[in-house]
Amino acid sequence: NAGVMQNPRHLVRRRGQEARLRCSPVKGHSHVYWYRQLPEEGLKFMVYLQKENIIDESGMPKERFSAEFPKEGPSILRIQQVVRGDSAAYFCASSPPVMYNTEAFFGQGTRLTVV
Amino acid sequence: AQSVTQLDSHVSVSEGTPVLLRCNYSSSYSPSLFWYVQHPNKGLQLLLKYTSAATLVKGINGFEAEFKKSETSFHLTKPSAHMSDAAEYFCVVSEPNKIIFGKGTRLHILP
Repeated sequence: NAGVMQNPRHLVRRRGQEARLRCSPVKGHSHVYWYRQLPEEGLKFMVYLQKENIIDESGMPKERFSAEFPKEGPSILRIQQVVRGDSAAYFCASSPPVMYNTEAFFGQGTRLTVV
Repeated sequence: AQSVTQLDSHVSVSEGTPVLLRCNYSSSYSPSLFWYVQHPNKGLQLLLKYTSAATLVKGINGFEAEFKKSETSFHLTKPSAHMSDAAEYFCVVSEPNKIIFGKGTRLHILP
């Protein structure tokens, strides 16, 4: 029973390129969360998705960032025209349908470095 | 508004001495509370969780936490620190449709 799988684990992009981060939730989980961890800081909520729906994107930057969780396949966090300030660790978590009294299961994270 | 406050960004203790990591929360609901640990360059691992059963919760690696509703606290403790406990610890509140993280406490273990 695989846990949350994120890939790639490490991603290097030049300024102006696009970054695509993938998250495959635990089998049977239909809820996905994305978090960003800047160096020396805690985890900050970005977006909460269910299959084919964005439920809460209050933590997403207004520009360049987008997320999706299609009916088939992994959730994707997409960052267009990356800048140095996007360098961070991005964590994905998944949970079963009732997100209450249940913990979220986290992936190992993708460490994005913008050069 | 719901929030999680970890009162110390860094805590240093000597090996073999007790550990106390403090966490206070505010929530509109009867919350579920969790502590996660993150070792350097690793993902997050669940230490323990409170879900309205016993107020004293035991977790892995000798950690435990006590839910005190009157104080809105969920402090993490361990009787005797080990070098392998050096990591970052996150207090987390779970509400319907959202998980809220504290800013983290970095635990340093002195030899």
